[in-house]
Amino acid sequence: SQQGEEDPQALSIQEGENATMNCSYKTSINNLQWYRQNSGRGLVHLILIRSNEREKHSGRLRVTLDTSKKSSSLLITASRAADTASYFCATDGGANNLFFGTGTRLTVIP
Amino acid sequence: KAGVTQTPRYLIKTRGQQVTLSCSPISGHRSVSWYQQTPGQGLQFLFEYFSETQRNKGNFPGRFSGRQFSNSRSEMNVSTLELGDSALYLCASSLQGQFSTEAFFGQGTRLTVV
Repeated sequence: SQQGEEDPQALSIQEGENATMNCSYKTSINNLQWYRQNSGRGLVHLILIRSNEREKHSGRLRVTLDTSKKSSSLLITASRAADTASYFCATDGGANNLFFGTGTRLTVIP
Repeated sequence: KAGVTQTPRYLIKTRGQQVTLSCSPISGHRSVSWYQQTPGQGLQFLFEYFSETQRNKGNFPGRFSGRQFSNSRSEMNVSTLELGDSALYLCASSLQGQFSTEAFFGQGTRLTVV
């Protein structure tokens, strides 16, 4: 399977703290994306990083990509209760579809 | 602009029946993909349509099929439903294909097979 894996599977932090999630994947990629999913709902795109980029920022989000290690990390700074959700990384694997990781369930405690 | 619309939002069907789910992509988007999400298997790719042609297909049995219309709206059909088909079915649209741009997801259709 080309599905990636996220680590940790679950993360619980206090509001205001930073949250870091890691993603590992198996095949070469054109880009890697991060998505957020609130309970039982659709996915919301957060950020896309291309294979020739090493780091990207968007508001309180910082994503890094290490293609040599086939890994990526998502950092959410100054977390808020509204950040409580599941976070997925997704890779294209060179095809016209996304391969999703297993997800990290983030809980931010007010 | 309007987002991706999936109908219906919830569905309960009996084993052996068939079901059709609908997805209206964002205006101007030509690529529509379908995913199945279950607690055990996570998010799994079903198929992708682009300009009415199936461009890519995941590893699902032939009971799962789809089509795309000239206005880019897409439907997926599951025949001879099994209990294991209970899942959240998500549709995503993008301009050309998801390898180069972000995908926009609908809220999903929650299918329960009893």
